[in-house]
Amino acid sequence: NAGVTQTPKFRILKIGQSMTLQCTQDMNHNYMYWYRQDPGMGLKLIYYSVGAGITDKGEVPNGYNVSRSTTEDFPLRLELAAPSQTSVYFCASSYKGLGGTGELFFGEGSRLTVL
Amino acid sequence: AQSVTQPDIHITVSEGASLELRCNYSYGATPYLFWYVQSPGQGLQLLLKYFSGDTLVQGIKGFEAEFKRSQSSFNLRKPSVHWSDAAEYFCAGYVTGGGNKLTFGTGTQLKVEL
Repeated sequence: NAGVTQTPKFRILKIGQSMTLQCTQDMNHNYMYWYRQDPGMGLKLIYYSVGAGITDKGEVPNGYNVSRSTTEDFPLRLELAAPSQTSVYFCASSYKGLGGTGELFFGEGSRLTVL
Repeated sequence: AQSVTQPDIHITVSEGASLELRCNYSYGATPYLFWYVQSPGQGLQLLLKYFSGDTLVQGIKGFEAEFKRSQSSFNLRKPSVHWSDAAEYFCAGYVTGGGNKLTFGTGTQLKVEL
């Protein structure tokens, strides 16, 4: 079972470069999320989507963009990378919203370093 | 402001000893509460959740948690810890109308001594 797949697992960027973190899920989940995890800070929600064509901002959306053209894919785009975006990024999905089953399924993470 | 607090950054227990990880919440209404576990280099996995009803909830891997409204707490417990339980544990909360935004605590790193 693939579940939630994130690529790449590791990436080093130079300041000002752009890149896309890919996220794919094969569970036919409607809801998808992007979080970033910084040491001692827990996870912060960047963006989320409740279905294809619908996205919304989370707590820390600045510097990021998302799109949701299909149910399966939810890529996260970093424009003009900055050192503050050095973090571990997690994609997650759920069949229903948090008030439904409440269970998020997480990918293994993408570690991004901006130098 | 809605928040979830985990007071302990690190906890060390001996294998076979009991475990309690603390979680306090601050919400205007009764929240949905969750405990997730993160093994090194992995994503998070749901251990258990509280939505309503019975305040003592059972989860996977022998974990349980008790919702205490009077103390605004949702502490995670395990009667006998195994070395494989070493991981980081996150408490998280959500309230209806919260826009699908799960608020995570800062995590507790559990070390198990053999």
